[in-house]
Amino acid sequence: DSGVTQTPKHLITATGQRVTLRCSPRSGDLSVYWYQQSLDQGLQFLIQYYNGEERAKGNILERFSAQQFPDLHSELNLSSLELGDSALYFCASSPPGIEKLFFGSGTQLSVL
Amino acid sequence: GQNIDQPTEMTATEGAIVQINCTYQTSGFNGLFWYQQHAGEAPTFLSYNVLDGLEEKGRFSSFLSRSKGYSYLLLKELQMKDSASYLCAVHRDDYKLSFGAGTTVTVRA
Repeated sequence: DSGVTQTPKHLITATGQRVTLRCSPRSGDLSVYWYQQSLDQGLQFLIQYYNGEERAKGNILERFSAQQFPDLHSELNLSSLELGDSALYFCASSPPGIEKLFFGSGTQLSVL
Repeated sequence: GQNIDQPTEMTATEGAIVQINCTYQTSGFNGLFWYQQHAGEAPTFLSYNVLDGLEEKGRFSSFLSRSKGYSYLLLKELQMKDSASYLCAVHRDDYKLSFGAGTTVTVRA
């Protein structure tokens, strides 16, 4: 157990819908990262937050948004879902000054 | 942007040694990570190299050459449980951490 909690573990929804994925980082970790992993793409960096502020942005679609709250938990919002958004979404956190990532168990999103 | 290349698959026999190479091209390089990921599970940290040279941790070792944009992960005394995907990841000074596509290692008895 990495100490990073992601909910829900599984999510099944339809095209056009909107979902919210939640992540609670390890105690003391200020950074939260979001990654998307599909079979043909590997782990794709989406976005990173540090202590509530956006720090780095990767290949995140405009239909996706994220935020980190004052209690440091983070949410990833995916809207106007398409079949191609079906993937495993990982959240990871890292302690201050150390970029070693601890990954949550992921949310498996299936868009039907 | 950056390019991170590693072989797609490797197969080795239990007890043997396997070396997984990773080459990268990037600006603002800070360091290089190796992660292990079993099917359907989260990646777990193996090593982080910032300086050139070899770092050894038990059966696993990682090497970095910054000037050549090259790293390798060496797995010794392979065990069946080492069958997994091994991910090379480049850490940049703009805080981005980008992963390669991963190398699937299959250990055979």
